[in-house]
Amino acid sequence: GENVEQHPSTLSVQEGDSAVIKCTYSDSASNYFPWYKQELGKRPQLIIDIRSNVGEKKDQRIAVTLNKTAKHFSLHITETQPEDSAVYFCAAESYGNKLVFGAGTILRVKS
Amino acid sequence: EAQVTQNPRYLITVTGKKLTVTCSQNMNHEYMSWYRQDPGLGLRQIYYSMNVEVTDKGDVPEGYKVSRKEKRNFPLILESPSPNQTSLYFCASSLSFGTGGYEQYFGPGTRLTVT
Repeated sequence: GENVEQHPSTLSVQEGDSAVIKCTYSDSASNYFPWYKQELGKRPQLIIDIRSNVGEKKDQRIAVTLNKTAKHFSLHITETQPEDSAVYFCAAESYGNKLVFGAGTILRVKS
Repeated sequence: EAQVTQNPRYLITVTGKKLTVTCSQNMNHEYMSWYRQDPGLGLRQIYYSMNVEVTDKGDVPEGYKVSRKEKRNFPLILESPSPNQTSLYFCASSLSFGTGGYEQYFGPGTRLTVT
């Protein structure tokens, strides 16, 4: 089955700097890759997603890139702000109607 | 308001005492799923349902049961809870599944402690 690895597990950046979180997946048939943000004590919420026919997608300060050949995808946050501090999860849609998540990255933005 | 609700939000119970966590969505979604969240392990899928009366195992189904008798409800049943089922549980729903992705909407979570 699908396996998703996410790095780093924790990331500290200075306010205004960029943050990059990387994920790799194992199932070459996976074709949908969402990213969820979970603030402390809250539920996960979708922030951006990408489909396999697209190499990059951007939404204001957030972008996601996908390399299907290498089976990895990344989340890029530019001009980080304190409210970006949260846990970020990548995921890959797996054969068998499953969504497999990475272990999460704790992002701390220091002001 | 479109939402996924779960009850209870917090539960402390003892080993072996059967419990049910309810999940309901008002968005007419076909796909519903249960996840457990543990530190360092992310979100792991327990069971999912593609539609009424159609359920299947996720990656960590042992010790859990589900049913989908109505489209809006997807309860999670622990027939004989054990301490290793202490976790934060999320229910989620989406319009459908497959063919390039649908956003999953999560419930508020249920914090379960089994002593």
